[in-house]
Amino acid sequence: GQNIDQPTEMTATEGAIVQINCTYQTSGFNGLFWYQQHAGEAPTFLSYNVLDGLEEKGRFSSFLSRSKGYSYLLLKELQMKDSASYLCAVREGDYKLSFGAGTTVTVRA
Amino acid sequence: IAGITQAPTSQILAAGRRMTLRCTQDMRHNAMYWYRQDLGLGLRLIHYSNTAGTTGKGEVPDGYSVSRANTDDFPLTLASAVPSQTSVYFCASSDSYTGELFFGEGSRLTVL
Repeated sequence: GQNIDQPTEMTATEGAIVQINCTYQTSGFNGLFWYQQHAGEAPTFLSYNVLDGLEEKGRFSSFLSRSKGYSYLLLKELQMKDSASYLCAVREGDYKLSFGAGTTVTVRA
Repeated sequence: IAGITQAPTSQILAAGRRMTLRCTQDMRHNAMYWYRQDLGLGLRLIHYSNTAGTTGKGEVPDGYSVSRANTDDFPLTLASAVPSQTSVYFCASSDSYTGELFFGEGSRLTVL
């Protein structure tokens, strides 16, 4: 089984930076994903980490430390459209993907 | 470009009725999944299938059944719906190499 923890809510100002942390406990770790989900919509893929370190993709970056069971998603130059839920998900084995409860980010003008 | 198609989009159902949520993918992914999403609980895995002909139980399988007769279709059946099964249901499939999930648009089910 898995235990995935992330903050429930975060609020930030347009143009700022926000860091969403995710901690997990699992056996058979095989990758960590971040998904974005706007209200009433399906989740969409943001990033994937399987090795330690930072993955950068435009305004979004994701970091992984496997030894600490820790990841973060960094959102830079926040825009209003970034207001959404951000889901941390851990893959165990080849197929099973388990999700945290999600972090709702609200961007204010 | 279809990806994953779910039906129905929304349904209101009387308790005790049988209901099947349909899911079809056109990406030839081997693995498919059913999740339910409830406020404050996030996405919880109900059942999954690694390949056609095989299925497995996820975190919350009770009250649900699935079948995987072919690669493309993965229906979810509620044999006798109960109000606690009121939720948004997402079907997903995954790429074999990265494990990235591709989601359908969801089916909102209300059991009264």
